[in-house]
Amino acid sequence: DQQVKQNSPSLSVQEGRISILNCDYTNSMFDYFLWYKKYPAEGPTFLISISSIKDKNEDGRFTVFLNKSAKHLSLHIVPSQPGDSAVYFCAAMNYGGSQGNLIFGKGTKLSVKP
Amino acid sequence: KAGVTQTPRYLIKTRGQQVTLSCSPISGHRSVSWYQQTPGQGLQFLFEYFSETQRNKGNFPGRFSGRQFSNSRSEMNVSTLELGDSALYLCASSFRTSPSYEQYFGPGTRLTVT
Repeated sequence: DQQVKQNSPSLSVQEGRISILNCDYTNSMFDYFLWYKKYPAEGPTFLISISSIKDKNEDGRFTVFLNKSAKHLSLHIVPSQPGDSAVYFCAAMNYGGSQGNLIFGKGTKLSVKP
Repeated sequence: KAGVTQTPRYLIKTRGQQVTLSCSPISGHRSVSWYQQTPGQGLQFLFEYFSETQRNKGNFPGRFSGRQFSNSRSEMNVSTLELGDSALYLCASSFRTSPSYEQYFGPGTRLTVT
């Protein structure tokens, strides 16, 4: 049973436009959410995170939105650049319950076309 | 500050053998987690060590084990290798204290079992 789902395996966006990557979760005990970016043959790179007490967190071109009632989060990249092309993973953890392991989605492959 | 390092980067073993992978966390990080990435299952949590103690364990057989040393360096061991153990093994380190729950990944060890 997948607790973290990324239903779009791939997304293609034009350079300069907005990229929106979506993630749904089922476990209401999750209290911390993270986005990672991964290039082939490399480990995931941490992008941005959000605590369940917030509904938005922004860092430069990256913004994460959290909708707890819908158990949904999204990552917005504005403007998108060709270097953003990678696989993006959504991850969640139940830190309050001292279960600090990350539960990952299957990933969304983003392609930003020049 | 140096990132998470993993050795070796690539490894080829035959069925029935055992293997030990090594991870050096970011300086100051006391938590080290291990993950397995495969095309079919995605990124799955193996176990977490904090101050030389295993704090969490994922749903993997007892052939997978680990340990952490007093300098926070960690090793992971897989005994009696099976073909299905072929995967990218990722190590991640973290402060594991509020508000920094982010985990930072190393480049991984690509294990191929023949």
